[in-house]
Amino acid sequence: DGGITQSPKYLFRKEGQNVTLSCEQNLNHDAMYWYRQDPGQGLRLIYYSQIVNDFQKGDIAEGYSVSREKKESFPLTVTSAQKNPTAFYLCASSLLTEFKMETQYFGPGTRLLVL
Amino acid sequence: GNSVTQMEGPVTLSEEAFLTINCTYTATGYPSLFWYVQYPGEGLQLLLKATKADDKGSNKGFEATYRKETTSFHLEKGSVQVSDSAVYFCALSVGGAQKLVFGQGTRLTINP
Repeated sequence: DGGITQSPKYLFRKEGQNVTLSCEQNLNHDAMYWYRQDPGQGLRLIYYSQIVNDFQKGDIAEGYSVSREKKESFPLTVTSAQKNPTAFYLCASSLLTEFKMETQYFGPGTRLLVL
Repeated sequence: GNSVTQMEGPVTLSEEAFLTINCTYTATGYPSLFWYVQYPGEGLQLLLKATKADDKGSNKGFEATYRKETTSFHLEKGSVQVSDSAVYFCALSVGGAQKLVFGQGTRLTINP
């Protein structure tokens, strides 16, 4: 089955700790994205990547870091600099076509809670 | 800038009722418009989309028409079911920018 997997489903972070959220896709998509969802709010873009070894900041990148060493994988690290990390994190991927918006497909999400 | 405004929820209806969820947008350029649905505890799924003015997107009985004159993309369904209970997000993207701008979401609850 083709799709996007995120792990873990739930993640607990202690004060001052960095944690990494996993996102893997086997759809052969070029582009991958990380969004943050807070209760009662829409999704906000954290980072996105259109090609291996390259990524761009989204609207709320502060306190987060990413890497894109493989086409299939786009892990997100929530650093200790992120003061309010409790949220639902969604990963997405899409084809990449010039001048046209391709459909983004979403993973099941990871819920991050602070202890 | 680009933004999406959805009607505030929550919305509660009885089964077989008619549904409208309003969505209006502001965009620089000519956006593509999307409706995504999020079932409890899950990620988002694309429900329908429209890429140019007067296009109608449809799926699973849901419809939305891209209205450039009113900058709107309202979601409608003629007869809702309990299984339609979810959060619905309207979103846009502009040009080749591979970024979605989301509305705040509308929670829909359908009672039997």
